[in-house]
Amino acid sequence: QSALTQPPSASGSPGQSVTISCTGTSSDVGAYNYVSWYQQHPGKAPKLMIYEVSKRPSGVPDRFSGSKSGNTASLTVSGLQAEDEADYYCNSYAGNNNWVFGGGTKVTVL
Amino acid sequence: QVQLVQSGAEVKKPGASVKVSCKTSGYTFTFTGYYLHWVRQAPGQGLEWMGWINPNSGGTHHAQKFQGRVTMTRDTSINTAYMELSRLRSDDTAVYYCARDGGSSGYFFAFDTWGQGTVVTVSS
Repeated sequence: QSALTQPPSASGSPGQSVTISCTGTSSDVGAYNYVSWYQQHPGKAPKLMIYEVSKRPSGVPDRFSGSKSGNTASLTVSGLQAEDEADYYCNSYAGNNNWVFGGGTKVTVL
Repeated sequence: QVQLVQSGAEVKKPGASVKVSCKTSGYTFTFTGYYLHWVRQAPGQGLEWMGWINPNSGGTHHAQKFQGRVTMTRDTSINTAYMELSRLRSDDTAVYYCARDGGSSGYFFAFDTWGQGTVVTVSS
């Protein structure tokens, strides 16, 4: 299956909000409520930030929120902080025991 | 706490094979639902899902792209999973991660814990 489509970059000033989109198809994002989001700082392993479209694991700040409409999922980071500067990847279950990632979005805090 | 610790960096020649290990601790390795996935990331590129292994049964599934080249195994006596990639090419140069499926912890179809990554370099 093809990778999910994310914008390569997004930015915002401290305190502002930024929203990242993740577009798939009716076979992955549109078919299942199993979209997750990962934060990756340079040289580090990814970290789970959102699962099942909009749920936050314990320890993840409530500034991070997720949603989905049709074949597009979104991650919103509110009240941007310097430590939010990182790469963000969406992931979706794609059926038939397969998973697929998005291409990643680099978030810059201006 | 849950930890996944991977083996060290590897340098291989084109056509060779590489086997990466992922030693787990802090949870029951064979507990139903704690599949282990393998994900790779080429230099400067995004994440690419490769496949999974069910540590309980040994069952596996991998992305079509790796058909015939990837083998995923486990050793339940030492709570360790392995990913072997054969017929290496230069574009297999990447950081390889193992990641736990968090289903049995409530994080369904998401990867809740990751290894630190193993750098595999393929070069003649």
